[in-house]
Amino acid sequence: RKEVEQDPGPFNVPEGATVAFNCTYSNSASQSFFWYRQDCRKEPKLLMSVYSSGNEDGRFTAQLNRASQYISLLIRDSKLSDSATYLCVAVSGGYNKLIFGAGTRLAVHP
Amino acid sequence: DAGVIQSPRHEVTEMGQEVTLRCKPISGHNSLFWYRQTMMRGLELLIYFNNNVPIDDSGMPEDRFSAKMPNASFSTLKIQPSEPRDSAVYFCASTRQGRISEAFFGQGTRLTVV
Repeated sequence: RKEVEQDPGPFNVPEGATVAFNCTYSNSASQSFFWYRQDCRKEPKLLMSVYSSGNEDGRFTAQLNRASQYISLLIRDSKLSDSATYLCVAVSGGYNKLIFGAGTRLAVHP
Repeated sequence: DAGVIQSPRHEVTEMGQEVTLRCKPISGHNSLFWYRQTMMRGLELLIYFNNNVPIDDSGMPEDRFSAKMPNASFSTLKIQPSEPRDSAVYFCASTRQGRISEAFFGQGTRLTVV
């Protein structure tokens, strides 16, 4: 079983839609979590951190459920420019080992 | 300010040849990660270093793969001999250890073994 698992998608949604991605992690000792965004043929880049109390950055909301070991990302009012692959990340260990999920692909259409 | 620099950007080689991928992390970052990305397996962590010391190489697929970090500003990932199944995009990333912070990725090396 992979340490971080995501639904690969693709999620095909119209502009303006709300879409949510979930991610589960198996290492209960993971202490930090992030969402990264990866555009086609580009490197991953940090989208946002995920805090225990949940956090919001504009149209993006991230949540963490430690009891069930999953994190989520909600995108409201989807834009064409949101089309990308979204990778969730769990960090564990004393040296901050970053483990990525395989990513969820989002396609926003007009 | 320069980000993580990887070279080459693209590499096409014949099966059996040695391949060396290079990475220069961001100055001041003391953790360095090598990842491999394929459609089938996603982004896999191969090995990571802290202060130039390999911490965890459990993701290295087999003995054909080796990685070194001789100093804080340079790391290599070597495949010898290469095989077609090694074809993938190889990313290097660096971060500042001590507090959990953003990992910055290089643009990757797209390796094709024919």
